Amino acid sequence: LAKTTQPISMDSYEGQEVNITCSHNNIATNDYITWYQQFPSQGPRFIIQGYKTKVTNEVASLFIPADRKSSTLSLPRVSLSDTAVYYCLVGDNGNNRLAFGKGNQVVVIP
Amino acid sequence: KAGVTQTPRYLIKTRGQQVTLSCSPISGHRSVSWYQQTPGQGLQFLFEYFSETQRNKGNFPGRFSGRQFSNSRSEMNVSTLELGDSALYLCASSPGTGTNTGELFFGEGSRLTVL
Repeated sequence: LAKTTQPISMDSYEGQEVNITCSHNNIATNDYITWYQQFPSQGPRFIIQGYKTKVTNEVASLFIPADRKSSTLSLPRVSLSDTAVYYCLVGDNGNNRLAFGKGNQVVVIP
Repeated sequence: KAGVTQTPRYLIKTRGQQVTLSCSPISGHRSVSWYQQTPGQGLQFLFEYFSETQRNKGNFPGRFSGRQFSNSRSEMNVSTLELGDSALYLCASSPGTGTNTGELFFGEGSRLTVL
């Protein structure tokens, strides 16, 4: 399984755009990059997935450079309710054995 | 569509006892994965079942086991409980077929406290 590295925590002010980075130097050709969000005492929730370049949905954008060794999750204009742990994972879509790790605690400040 | 249901939500056991946790996946999902979450280790993969067969296994001792029934419901069992087994145990389901989008649907978890 490709390993990912994320900052442990970060703070952001309400209304700002938040960019969360993830490093995955050993990503394999078949691997996709997936991001999850987890609130306290709840299971993680799927946010977005991509393979290369840029993917956008109603919640976030995912930027993946050409070498795919890193990715950036962008949350536009965060609110207090976006305070959560964000996990970056890599794996192929036929393999549900995902390495979540410890994630990145994002705290949104009023 | 009902989500992933885990029971019980909370339980307290003592060292040496065993525990069984249950997970009902989303209707139509055939893959069920189990994860252990602790503050120190984060979210760690335990095992995955697909069509009643264990398809993947994480790096946990043999005290941790699981099974899946023909209706895709799954149970995990931890025997000879240790203090370090105190954790939130999360179950996730997915279609599990070749068209898997990579999205796992998680339950709210079973919080186990070992005294």
